Amino acid sequence: DGGITQSPKYLFRKEGQNVTLSCEQNLNHDAMYWYRQDPGQGLRLIYYSQIVNDFQKGDIAEGYSVSREKKESFPLTVTSAQKNPTAFYLCASMGRGNGYTFGSGTRLTVV
Amino acid sequence: GENVEQHPSTLSVQEGDSAVIKCTYSDSASNYFPWYKQELGKRPQLIIDIRSNVGEKKDQRIAVTLNKTAKHFSLHITETQPEDSAVYFCAACFSGGGADGLTFGKGTHLIIQP
Repeated sequence: DGGITQSPKYLFRKEGQNVTLSCEQNLNHDAMYWYRQDPGQGLRLIYYSQIVNDFQKGDIAEGYSVSREKKESFPLTVTSAQKNPTAFYLCASMGRGNGYTFGSGTRLTVV
Repeated sequence: GENVEQHPSTLSVQEGDSAVIKCTYSDSASNYFPWYKQELGKRPQLIIDIRSNVGEKKDQRIAVTLNKTAKHFSLHITETQPEDSAVYFCAACFSGGGADGLTFGKGTHLIIQP
């Protein structure tokens, strides 16, 4: 996956349950991002981190949380406060002066 | 914040013809404009990008033009081929080449008719 790995590929969440999506990169990139993709909506920014132990809210952060304890890892937790979590989630990283490298995505479905 | 509008939402062209997708942005401070191609069920992939100090950039059959005054930029694909069929997204960012996060358009579904 070009150095950035997301897991799992498919995830099912029950009502009221928290779930965590994994994103790992071996590209030595400082910046990492989480986007949500819905049909006809394009990609919307959830959270991003430019450096270890620091992260910023994006446009649609409510109901989500992140951590950045290691440069390589940027997990996203979808909490029970996110009322409409069914979507395709994309993680990306960016090195100096280059565009994003995306992971292959996680498709989350509420059951 | 930044707002990016993308048109059309669907574009159907005959194989061999050209395709043009247009985007406008709201923040005059934006300085980085990438284009991504996403095939069904796959991750977006960067196909070309342009920075605000350049008016046009070309890579084989793909070109991007930028009009800073009008705040719009366009993707041009010439001699279209069946493998060009995909969803294309434009994006814009006002800082660090995207370091603070890109704002994406809603996408254009390009269909190449044989």
